[in-house]
Amino acid sequence: ETGVTQTPRHLVMGMTNKKSLKCEQHLGHNAMYWYKQSAKKPLELMFVYSLEERVENNSVPSRFSPECPNSSHLFLHLHTLQPEDSALYLCASSQDEGGETQYFGPGTRLLVL
Amino acid sequence: GQNIDQPTEMTATEGAIVQINCTYQTSGFNGLFWYQQHAGEAPTFLSYNVLDGLEEKGRFSSFLSRSKGYSYLLLKELQMKDSASYLCAVTKETSGTYKYIFGTGTRLKVLA
Repeated sequence: ETGVTQTPRHLVMGMTNKKSLKCEQHLGHNAMYWYKQSAKKPLELMFVYSLEERVENNSVPSRFSPECPNSSHLFLHLHTLQPEDSALYLCASSQDEGGETQYFGPGTRLLVL
Repeated sequence: GQNIDQPTEMTATEGAIVQINCTYQTSGFNGLFWYQQHAGEAPTFLSYNVLDGLEEKGRFSSFLSRSKGYSYLLLKELQMKDSASYLCAVTKETSGTYKYIFGTGTRLKVLA
């Protein structure tokens, strides 16, 4: 399934580094999402974009900065992360931001040293 | 508050039937999704229930009772490839805005 792609698939970074995660959807959807998945925890919704406008920010620390230049692309810019930020970061998209079926990318496995 | 509960792990035998339960407490309930997630892969959509009752799709069925805040995912004729985590997710609506709330997932192991 290549409807939603994410790069890189794996990332190791130090706490002083700056990196970006990229998500691209080829489904013609209008809404895109960033989730954090940690071991033994529920998927945590981080950000929601609808028609390139951020509609939700779930009290995410400012060291995570999203960017949605168009409805097909979503970025998550990372800087001065902490070891507890190590997790799987999943991108998803849906037709619209209305509680519809979400289609997930394969995720980026992030390790912060 | 809002809460979703599902068992952490379940084990079943190939060819058997397994039922994975999910209970939820949330205001503004809109609908309930089940997703399957194999280790190291993306969650994939299995089913969606918005009205009470059973939705059947091949070997998989999902049931919802809105009044009881309860759902289950039924997997029949289990196959080894069904070994995965099964995520229960509720969508809630607040002032026209929809939010997904996920459970921690149930890790199912299918044994030969």
